[in-house]
Amino acid sequence: DSGVTQTPKHLITATGQRVTLRCSPRSGDLSVYWYQQSLDQGLQFLIQYYNGEERAKGNILERFSAQQFPDLHSELNLSSLELGDSALYFCASSVETTGRLFYGYTFGSGTRLTVV
Amino acid sequence: LAKTTQPISMDSYEGQEVNITCSHNNIATNDYITWYQQFPSQGPRFIIQGYKTKVTNEVASLFIPADRKSSTLSLPRVSLSDTAVYYCLVGGYGRALTFGSGTRLQVQP
Repeated sequence: DSGVTQTPKHLITATGQRVTLRCSPRSGDLSVYWYQQSLDQGLQFLIQYYNGEERAKGNILERFSAQQFPDLHSELNLSSLELGDSALYFCASSVETTGRLFYGYTFGSGTRLTVV
Repeated sequence: LAKTTQPISMDSYEGQEVNITCSHNNIATNDYITWYQQFPSQGPRFIIQGYKTKVTNEVASLFIPADRKSSTLSLPRVSLSDTAVYYCLVGGYGRALTFGSGTRLQVQP
């Protein structure tokens, strides 16, 4: 158990639908990152939140949005789903400090989304 | 964001030492070098991180030359369970890490 919790583990839905993926970061981590990994592909960075505020955006589609709540958990909302959105969605969290120390990310086990 | 280049795949045999080299020519002064391991359908797992010279932990060593434009992950005496994709990332706190294509390591008996 990495300490990063993602729910649900599996999700099957139809095209055009909307889903919400949830992530609880590791205790003490203020930053949450979302990544998408399609079949046999690398991880694509989608978006980062730090202490409730959006900090960085990657290749995130306009149909996708995210937020981080006061308790630091985050949700990734995917709407108007298409077949090509089928992928593993990973959440990661990290400790952010003001010093030079950087401890990398801790990843959750992912949510496998299948759009049919 | 610093771009990384690493071999697409490598093959090895059980018990051998495996060295995977990553180049990152435009690494920034405050960037760290981090390596992750990923098994199919699992989230990447942190292996090792370094800033310069050599770092060793219970699973791997990381060699970083003085110019920091490359790094080498060394896995001693690999086993079948080390078959995975290995990612080299460069970055620092406050900035999202960009994953490259990774190196697919296949360990044979």
